[in-house]
Parts: sequence; structure tokens; C-alpha cells
Amino acid sequence: QSALTQPASVSGSPGQSITISCTGTSSDIGGYNFVSWYQQHPGKAPKLMIYDVSNRPSGVSNRFSGSKSGNTASLTISELQADDEADYYCSSYTSSTTQLFGGGTKLTVL
Amino acid sequence: QVQLQQSGPGLVKPSQTLSLTCAISGDSVSSNTVAWNWIRQSPSRGLEWLGRTYYRSTWYYDYAVSVKSRITINPDTSKNQFSLQLNSVTPEDTAVYYCAREGYGSGSSEWGQGTLVTVSS
Repeated sequence: QSALTQPASVSGSPGQSITISCTGTSSDIGGYNFVSWYQQHPGKAPKLMIYDVSNRPSGVSNRFSGSKSGNTASLTISELQADDEADYYCSSYTSSTTQLFGGGTKLTVL
Repeated sequence: QVQLQQSGPGLVKPSQTLSLTCAISGDSVSSNTVAWNWIRQSPSRGLEWLGRTYYRSTWYYDYAVSVKSRITINPDTSKNQFSLQLNSVTPEDTAVYYCAREGYGSGSSEWGQGTLVTVSS
């Protein structure tokens, strides 16, 4: 199984919004509402930011939102802050009852 | 709250077996609402899901195709922990290994601290 496809990098200025895409197939993203997004700062474990496509765990800012259309999921971060600078990974459940991760997107806050 | 504490060696020789353990506090390995995952991360492979175990009246195991012939994940109910064994390791298996608690399919909300495992003679 190939990894989900994410852009290698995105950037934005403080206060702006950015969107990170994550493209899969009908056997993963398109087939299930089990898409999650993780934030990872250097040297730290990933942190769950979105689960089940668009749900936020308790404690995660409402500036983070998720959506899905067909085989592509998206993470939007509004009102960018300096601390949002990190790597972001998508993940999806698959028809093989496994999990797939995306290759990761480096977010730079200019 | 749920905490995961990993233990195991940081150096493994090629062709040998990588073994890690993840001790759980604040939840039960036998919980019927979550799953227990092993995930690794390396610069060359990024985040890679390896497998999970979960209990739903019986134990289930899901493994990534890339390691299916070499991996075993075992729950230990007496110690409330679960383990990873990866056989016949090569330098390609060098990575930071994480254990994680997942609402099955719904994302991993708690992670262990990570263990850097280097495969080298």
C-alpha cells in the first residue's frame, strides 16, 4: 500500500489560513470516515488534532478543522500562529483493516 | 489520564529480533473500545504504521503488509501492557518506535515517549 499523498510544504503568515490536502483512494480515504490528522513538533511524539474526518479532541483549538471530499481529505488551520509551525500528517483506515499515513507536510509560519 | 511507557533496547544487531514493551496506565489492554498500536518513524520512511491489537471478546491483530511476515504484537493482561517483536531486522528498521492508543480507526490520542532503535553490528 502506498502512503497517502500530501504536499511537502506549505507556508502562511500569522493570522492567515492555510489548507493541507491528503489524497488517497477509494480503499482508504474515500471509503471510510476514519481520517485523522497529527501535528508533530521536532523531537516530540505526534499529537492528534482531528479524528473521524472533522472531530477535534478535547483541548485542540477550534482554529483547526478537517473535511473530506471523495478521496481527498483536508486540514485547515485558521488564524495562523507561530506555534503552529510543525509537521502535519494525515492518516486513514483502509479496506485491509490497516492504517496508512501521509508523507507529511512541513508548515512554515512566515 | 492514560499514559504509555515504553521500554526496550536501543541497539539491535542485524538479523536479530527487535523487542519493545509498552506499559499502560489509566486504561486496560483488554478494553473493548480501543486498539493498541505500534508505529515507527524514520527520515527515509516517515511515519509508518506497523500493527495493532485489540480485544472484542477475543483478541484481534492487524499488521502492515510491509512487515507482516516479521511482526508479532502481543497483549499481556497480567501486566497490562503490550509488546512488539520484529524479527530479522536490517539497518532499514532503524527508526523511532512509538506505541499508541487508538479509538479503533479513529486516530491515536495517546502516544508513548518513543524509543530510538538502531540496527547495527
